[in-house]
Amino acid sequence: AQTVTQSQPEMSVQEAETVTLSCTYDTSESNYYLFWYKQPPSRQMILVIRQEAYKQQNATENRFSVNFQKAAKSFSLKISDSQLGDTAMYFCALSDGSSNTGKLIFGQGTTLQVKP
Amino acid sequence: KAGVTQTPRYLIKTRGQQVTLSCSPISGHRSVSWYQQTPGQGLQFLFEYFSETQRNKGNFPGRFSGRQFSNSRSEMNVSTLELGDSALYLCASSFDRANNEKLFFGSGTQLSVL
Repeated sequence: AQTVTQSQPEMSVQEAETVTLSCTYDTSESNYYLFWYKQPPSRQMILVIRQEAYKQQNATENRFSVNFQKAAKSFSLKISDSQLGDTAMYFCALSDGSSNTGKLIFGQGTTLQVKP
Repeated sequence: KAGVTQTPRYLIKTRGQQVTLSCSPISGHRSVSWYQQTPGQGLQFLFEYFSETQRNKGNFPGRFSGRQFSNSRSEMNVSTLELGDSALYLCASSFDRANNEKLFFGSGTQLSVL
């Protein structure tokens, strides 16, 4: 069975500093995708970044980057120059790239608070 | 371009009743997925529809059902509500293969069962 684990229920960071959120996963598939989603108090899930497992290069989106360690099945999110608007719950998610379905497996989430 | 719209935003029901939630995907998107979010269980996949056909279903009892219309709008229904069905129900749409496409989520329907 596919699983996603986020071991940090809560984290905090000072504005303008860097923070890293951890995620580990387990899958027997060779082709899969990993995602980080952000859920602010408005409740709407927003895609932060996506990584394709067959790509060795780590994905980056502006201040957000990932450290994808395929052998270790680790997928951490680094937020640089943290902003107050980054305060939200962050979810790591895994999909099975070989199947034609819409199922994502989510971790339990990490609540991130950015302090002024 | 309008985002994913879920109605209603909030709903209060009593045990034993049934409820229908609605989701309008982004124009042109053909896949709609539903997720249940609770503090204890986190986000769990309910089902996915594509071109009016259910493509995948999560581990939920038969009281949970859904459908998709020809305009891609989707509804999910929960019959004989239980207290444990209290949750945020999120709908997500994508153009095609939802698992590796970017999913666009709505703001959810918060269901409270009393």
